[in-house]
Amino acid sequence: DAKTTQPNSMESNEEEPVHLPCNHSTISGTDYIHWYRQLPSQGPEYVIHGLTSNVNNRMASLAIAEDRKSSTLILHRATLRDAAVYYCILRGILTGGGNKLTFGTGTQLKVEL
Amino acid sequence: DTGVSQDPRHKITKRGQNVTFRCDPISEHNRLYWYRQTLGQGPEFLTYFQNEAQLEKSRLLSDRFSAERPKGSFSTLEIQRTEQGDSAMYLCASSSSDRVLSGELFFGEGSRLTVL
Repeated sequence: DAKTTQPNSMESNEEEPVHLPCNHSTISGTDYIHWYRQLPSQGPEYVIHGLTSNVNNRMASLAIAEDRKSSTLILHRATLRDAAVYYCILRGILTGGGNKLTFGTGTQLKVEL
Repeated sequence: DTGVSQDPRHKITKRGQNVTFRCDPISEHNRLYWYRQTLGQGPEFLTYFQNEAQLEKSRLLSDRFSAERPKGSFSTLEIQRTEQGDSAMYLCASSSSDRVLSGELFFGEGSRLTVL
């Protein structure tokens, strides 16, 4: 799977929007962009995924650049419960390993009052 | 609770002892994954099953590690002759092959191993 690059950490104030960037310049045409997050002392949880078009769900929005070499996870109103490590992951639909995901080190999001 | 459950949540053992972790996936999921996570790092893939077949093993899975999923439901991960470097969080995840395009994995809360 192609590699992603994320900032090590970001800070936000509560109730403000948060934009978490991810660079994936070597993405291939069959790579999906997935975002997971991991709250303290818990396993990762799915946030959102997309291929080419921007995506919205109840948790977040995913904005994908036109050339697909970068994407941004948008939390519209951060809360203290959103403090977590956010992982941007590429998964090739044509690769083996079932739905196996390859995690990097992610972005530690800190949310302050 | 119909999520992925793991047992035990915490295990402290002495170097050289064997330990076994159990994972019960979401009942309708036919795929099961094991990951290991050390402090400050993202989860690292160890192995995955589709039904009872172990289809992929990482090079991280040394000879001291063995995973089984005998009836295609729960899975066990055994570590023999534990070493201090085995101290980590062991995470289990499950998914359905019917959702191959979404690729959503559902993780348990993990089993934390401390080797003294």
